[in-house]
Amino acid sequence: ETGVTQSPTHLIKTRGQQVTLRCSSQSGHNTVSWYQQALGQGPQFIFQYYREEENGRGNFPPRFSGLQFPNYSSELNVNALELDDSALYLCASSRDRFGEKLFFGSGTQLSVL
Amino acid sequence: QQQVKQSPQSLIVQKGGIPIINCAYENTAFDYFPWYQQFPGKGPALLIAIRPDVSEKKEGRFTISFNKSAKQFSLHIMDSQPGDSATYFCAASFFYTGNQFYFGTGTSLTVIP
Repeated sequence: ETGVTQSPTHLIKTRGQQVTLRCSSQSGHNTVSWYQQALGQGPQFIFQYYREEENGRGNFPPRFSGLQFPNYSSELNVNALELDDSALYLCASSRDRFGEKLFFGSGTQLSVL
Repeated sequence: QQQVKQSPQSLIVQKGGIPIINCAYENTAFDYFPWYQQFPGKGPALLIAIRPDVSEKKEGRFTISFNKSAKQFSLHIMDSQPGDSATYFCAASFFYTGNQFYFGTGTSLTVIP
């Protein structure tokens, strides 16, 4: 059983650029959630995808968007990057949208200069 | 607005001590309260969780105490070990949104040998 894998592990971008982060969910999981974790803070919910449809969104602007593919892998896209977008982006998968246990990947560390 | 407030921010204990981490919430519609453990460079991992219909839950050396009337819950780590040194996050979710969590700000625990 493979775990949740994220790529890339680190990324450096400049303000105004666009970025795409990728996540492969754990085998058998159909739900993927994305979280933003700023330095020294707890993860903050961005959005969740269930069977390729967005199933809830946190307090993030529309320039944060996502996709889920038929194999349940997922992408997080951020447009018009701002300095405050610098954070660890965590992907988590679960058996379904009510599964009590989230399985997190190790994250993508994004630095915006 | 922080939905789940966590304290203390950091904690140092001797090996064998019993660190206690506290969380408080305001929204009584929350109905699931997990604790996650995060090691440097890794994503959070589920440690233990509780629902508001019980006042205490134990799993190994980890215990959650839940006070529904006070809207507080806490994590106790019995016989703490240096390997328990990590950051701990409490979280909460609503039944109707499934596993979309509100996380606390985290507690950095250091267990001294």
